[in-house]
Amino acid sequence: DGGITQSPKYLFRKEGQNVTLSCEQNLNHDAMYWYRQDPGQGLRLIYYSQIVNDFQKGDIAEGYSVSREKKESFPLTVTSAQKNPTAFYLCASSDLAGSYEQYFGPGTRLTVT
Amino acid sequence: GQNIDQPTEMTATEGAIVQINCTYQTSGFNGLFWYQQHAGEAPTFLSYNVLDGLEEKGRFSSFLSRSKGYSYLLLKELQMKDSASYLCAVSSGGYNKLIFGAGTRLAVHP
Repeated sequence: DGGITQSPKYLFRKEGQNVTLSCEQNLNHDAMYWYRQDPGQGLRLIYYSQIVNDFQKGDIAEGYSVSREKKESFPLTVTSAQKNPTAFYLCASSDLAGSYEQYFGPGTRLTVT
Repeated sequence: GQNIDQPTEMTATEGAIVQINCTYQTSGFNGLFWYQQHAGEAPTFLSYNVLDGLEEKGRFSSFLSRSKGYSYLLLKELQMKDSASYLCAVSSGGYNKLIFGAGTRLAVHP
């Protein structure tokens, strides 16, 4: 089955700790994206990557970091510098040569206390 | 600035038709997407419009007017499972960056 996987589904951390959210895709898509969703708000773009070893900041990159060492993988680290890390995090990928549709993973709900 | 507006909530009756509007102001335009999102789940793709006019796909249709910065999603023969949030998103700029509206929460009642 082709798709995007994110793990874990739920994640709990103490304030001051860094945490890494995984995102893997086997769709052979070039582009990958990380979004954050808060209650009553739309998805906001954190980081995106068009190609291996290259990534760009989105609208709310402060307090986050990413890497793109493999085409299939785009992990997101939520650092202790992120002031309000509790949120629903969604990873997506798209084929830039196609219809531009973004396919989403199931999401990780991060709670920091 | 970039802005996408859609109503916060709507209610409708099972079997009826509902239209969800979306207006946008963006610095570029490569196309407009509608996604469906059930609570706590990932958004799933519904439709994509890049040219003016109506795109029909089963019970769902989407309309675009680029000159007016306006789109709507039309849902026919509503079912209880259509209760979800509907997200309007505009592809703007390079890398297929999407700008999302806050979503419209639709409640379908018997």
